[in-house]
Amino acid sequence: LAKTTQPVSMDSYEGQEVNITCSHNNIATNDYITWYQQFPSQGPRFIIQGYKTKVTNEVASLFIPADRKSSTLSLPRVSLSDTAVYYCLVGSRPSGGYQKVTFGTGTKLQVIP
Amino acid sequence: GAVVSQHPSRVICKSGTSVKIECRSLDFQATTMFWYRQFPKQSLMLMATSNEGSKATYEQGVEKDKFLINHASLTLSTLTVTSAHPEDSSFYICSARDPGQERLISGANVLTFGAGSRLTVL
Repeated sequence: LAKTTQPVSMDSYEGQEVNITCSHNNIATNDYITWYQQFPSQGPRFIIQGYKTKVTNEVASLFIPADRKSSTLSLPRVSLSDTAVYYCLVGSRPSGGYQKVTFGTGTKLQVIP
Repeated sequence: GAVVSQHPSRVICKSGTSVKIECRSLDFQATTMFWYRQFPKQSLMLMATSNEGSKATYEQGVEKDKFLINHASLTLSTLTVTSAHPEDSSFYICSARDPGQERLISGANVLTFGAGSRLTVL
């Protein structure tokens, strides 16, 4: 499984756009990039997944450059409720099967009023 | 979306006793569930993969005789911490593959997580 590297922590003011970058230099051809969000004392929640270029949903955008060795999770206009730990994962799904999902250290985002 | 229900959310027990944590998939079948453990200010650590109707697969360093996993039906997996000790105190989280998201997204597995169970061993 490709290893990921993220900043340990980030601070942002309310209303700002937050970009969290994840490095995954050893990403394999079949690997996708997935981001989860975890609030204190809760299980993680799926945010977004992508393979290349840009993916957007109602929560966030995910930017992936052509070499796919990194990705950026973009949270528009954060609020205090976005304070959480954000995990970047890289992996694939074997045909008809599953791959173990392992978590790295994550990025603790603190939104400041 | 898919919902995974975990119970109890908090449990306190005495050292030497056993504790069972239940993980249920609501409105969908989960042939595979995953159990994680998370210590304060640390990331999630995968403990084992629970397979319906067969033995669980444990990660290296996880004692299978201490952390008993039973996946007797397509909607229920249980984790029993046997002869619990204070060092077993942790946040235990189960998850299952989200069939709805995986139908929408053709990439990697997408997991839906339970809310977690906080175990405190006195």
